[in-house]
Amino acid sequence: GAGVSQTPSNKVTEKGKYVELRCDPISGHTALYWYRQSLGQGPEFLIYFQGTGAADDSGLPNDRFFAVRPEGSVSTLKIQRTERGDSAVYLCASSLTWDQETQYFGPGTRLLVL
Amino acid sequence: GQQLNQSPQSMFIQEGEDVSMNCTSSSIFNTWLWYKQDPGEGPVLLIALYKAGELTSNGRLTAQFGITRKDSFLNISASIPSDVGIYFCAGPNFGNEKLTFGTGTRLTIIP
Repeated sequence: GAGVSQTPSNKVTEKGKYVELRCDPISGHTALYWYRQSLGQGPEFLIYFQGTGAADDSGLPNDRFFAVRPEGSVSTLKIQRTERGDSAVYLCASSLTWDQETQYFGPGTRLLVL
Repeated sequence: GQQLNQSPQSMFIQEGEDVSMNCTSSSIFNTWLWYKQDPGEGPVLLIALYKAGELTSNGRLTAQFGITRKDSFLNISASIPSDVGIYFCAGPNFGNEKLTFGTGTRLTIIP
C-alpha cells in the first residue's frame, strides 16, 4: 500500500511492561511524526524526525518514552514501565519534507494498559 | 502553548442539511488545516489554507482562513451519511511543523 502503516493495530499490556510500536511512513517521506490521541481529544504531538535524527522531542511526556528511526524510514516508539495513563491511540504521520505541513496519518495503534 | 477551540463540540443533523463549524486560536496561525477522522482510522486532510482571508473549496466542503489569522471556518453543504465523523482543525506551531490540533467537532446524521 502507498499509505502510512502502523503495527500492531491493537496492543494490550499490563502495567509495568515494555511495549514497542512501529510506523512505516510513505516511501520517500523524510519527515516522520508521532502523536498521541486520548479518548475524546485531538492528537497531541510527541516527537518529530527529520531523517534519522529527532528534530523535536518536546512532546514526549517523560523519560519512559523514547523513539528511534535508525535508517531514516521505519520508526519505533518505545514505552518503558507502562502505566494505565499511557492508554491511548498512538498515531504516526509522515510528510515529504520537513517544511510540508501536509502530514499523512496512519490508522494508529490502540494501546490499552491494564 | 497554543490552543485551538472548536465549536460546536457535537452536531446532530439530518441528511441534506448544511453544516458549519469553526475553530479559534489564542494566537496567530500562518496555516490552517482541516482533517476528518473516521472511527478506528487516522485523520485525513480535507483542506489546507495558507493566506488570511483565503476561501477554499473541496467538493461540498468550503473552508475559510479568518482575517485575524486566529480563526477558521468549515462548511459542508448538503450533508450525506459518509460525512459522519470527527472534524479537527490544526495548525503548525511557529518555527517547526508539529501540528496543534483542535478539540474536534463530532458530526452525527440522524436518520
